[in-house]
Amino acid sequence: DTGVSQDPRHKITKRGQNVTFRCDPISEHNRLYWYRQTLGQGPEFLTYFQNEAQLEKSRLLSDRFSAERPKGSFSTLEIQRTEQGDSAMYLCASSSTSEQYFGPGTRLTVT
Amino acid sequence: DAKTTQPPSMDCAEGRAANLPCNHSTISGNEYVYWYRQIHSQGPQYIIHGLKNNETNEMASLIITEDRKSSTLILPHATLRDTAVYYCIVRVAWGNEKLTFGTGTRLTIIP
Repeated sequence: DTGVSQDPRHKITKRGQNVTFRCDPISEHNRLYWYRQTLGQGPEFLTYFQNEAQLEKSRLLSDRFSAERPKGSFSTLEIQRTEQGDSAMYLCASSSTSEQYFGPGTRLTVT
Repeated sequence: DAKTTQPPSMDCAEGRAANLPCNHSTISGNEYVYWYRQIHSQGPQYIIHGLKNNETNEMASLIITEDRKSSTLILPHATLRDTAVYYCIVRVAWGNEKLTFGTGTRLTIIP
């Protein structure tokens, strides 16, 4: 399967711990996006990369959040000092045209 | 991006055509109408997009009114696997990379 993959699919962590998620985009896609989705809401944009450059960050991306795409291929999203409000589905998408293709998401639960 | 309005929920009988409306009365001339859907516990899936002409692909048809203030997504022969939340999004095709999701329409296909 050559779709977008995300790892892990589920993560349970205690408040205050750091977590890191990985996204592997479709191989020929130069754009990569992170979104967050809470229960009953549509996904909300967090940040966007073109190749290795992070071109846009939402105000939702507080100082505790950092995203990287070091070689323009896979990306990581790290959340430091997690809070219960960080509990959500974290979605990654990639594109080479105007359509974005999403991965299955990582569901984070902060206890 | 222009705002969209969708009904919160709809039902459709299996085998029938499902017609999902979307209002986007403030759409600009260079903005496209995109449709995505999200099946439970999965990432959003691109369906179709269009500017002003009607569009059809293997998944669905998109009918955009002449004034472009509204559109309808048509699933011609709905199956149980089409049960999902459907999102109508208006955006320029290039230069505004993020997708702005609303709360969508929850479509339930009835056996």
